[in-house]
Amino acid sequence: KAGVTQTPRYLIKTRGQQVTLSCSPISGHRSVSWYQQTPGQGLQFLFEYFSETQRNKGNFPGRFSGRQFSNSRSEMNVSTLELGDSALYLCASSGTSGAHQETQYFGPGTRLLVL
Amino acid sequence: GDSVTQMEGPVTLSEEAFLTINCTYTATGYPSLFWYVQYPGEGLQLLLKATKADDKGSNKGFEATYRKETTSFHLEKGSVQVSDSAVYFCALRGTPLVFGKGTRLSVIA
Repeated sequence: KAGVTQTPRYLIKTRGQQVTLSCSPISGHRSVSWYQQTPGQGLQFLFEYFSETQRNKGNFPGRFSGRQFSNSRSEMNVSTLELGDSALYLCASSGTSGAHQETQYFGPGTRLLVL
Repeated sequence: GDSVTQMEGPVTLSEEAFLTINCTYTATGYPSLFWYVQYPGEGLQLLLKATKADDKGSNKGFEATYRKETTSFHLEKGSVQVSDSAVYFCALRGTPLVFGKGTRLSVIA
């Protein structure tokens, strides 16, 4: 089974621009979560989607948003980029029953650099 | 709220040394516990997990036992290799997944 895929892998933007990151979960998984990883703050939860609905949200400003499509693929968008948004953005998917519901499987991440 | 505390790094070991990375947690109930590993330039890979008390997770020579008495999930490996050099994260399955800050391991030949 193919793992979680994220595109693009690397991205360079300038302050004030916006960016959209994409995540394709493991086939059959319906839950997608997004995390931001930085050296200073570590891994921070952004949001979780399940069946196209946002189920949980972390403590990030409204510039960070996301959505999930009917095929479970998810996108996250960051508007009005700031230097501090430079980070590795990780997507994770999990299934809907039994152990799969608990275990999150991560993609390789998208590394965003804001200049 | 739920939280995970793991030992600060970095940890530097010689090849074939014994590894222990301590992890303790605070949670309501008995959540599943995980160890993830992150190699340079990559995402997180699930290393092992335990879903209930006294469960032992194991993979690639790594082991961790879910201890509810001590609220711990320490990671161990009997003989580390250079290829084990990575950052290791302890996590518990709350809403959302709650991570420790990570422990960087460097293994030298």
